[in-house]
Amino acid sequence: NAGVTQTPKFQVLKTGQSMTLQCAQDMNHEYMSWYRQDPGMGLRLIHYSVGAGITDQGEVPNGYNVSRSTTEDFPLRLLSAAPSQTSVYFCASTPKRTTPTGELFFGEGSRLTVL
Amino acid sequence: AQSVTQLGSHVSVSEGALVLLRCNYSSSVPPYLFWYVQYPNQGLQLLLKYTSAATLVKGINGFEAEFKKSETSFHLTKPSAHMSDAAEYFCAVKRAGANSKLTFGKGITLSVRP
Repeated sequence: NAGVTQTPKFQVLKTGQSMTLQCAQDMNHEYMSWYRQDPGMGLRLIHYSVGAGITDQGEVPNGYNVSRSTTEDFPLRLLSAAPSQTSVYFCASTPKRTTPTGELFFGEGSRLTVL
Repeated sequence: AQSVTQLGSHVSVSEGALVLLRCNYSSSVPPYLFWYVQYPNQGLQLLLKYTSAATLVKGINGFEAEFKKSETSFHLTKPSAHMSDAAEYFCAVKRAGANSKLTFGKGITLSVRP
């Protein structure tokens, strides 16, 4: 099973450039989310979605956009990259109704460097 | 509001020694509690979870954790460390409710010395 797939795994951007991190899951999960991981900060929630067509902000949403047009895909867009967005980004999903206890299934991460 | 505190950022043990990683939580309602592990260059995976059933929870790879309401703690233990346990460990808390979000601690890096 593929699970949660993130692309690209590595990306280098210049300040001001835009890009999209892709996330796809093949488990028919309703809930999907994006986290960023920074040293000593743990994981912080950027945006999340409880189903197709529904998105909401997490703890650190500024500078990022998301959309959820299908159950499978949840792309994260950086509108104008800044060095502060240098981080490792993780996409995660959970089958909301069947696991309300919140176990998340994570992708392998996308490492982004903004110069 | 809910939060998780993981004291310290790094723990080092010898192979075969006891592993103890501490986690304290704050939650206004009874929480669900989780430990996740992240091996180098990988995503996080669930080690174990507490969901208001048994207070002593057993997980994968010989790890277990005990929910202690009076101490608001959910410490992770393993009787005998193995080299393959070297990783970063995250404690996380979530209130009951399908749309409640998971809040992670800052993580603890476990090193295992030969």
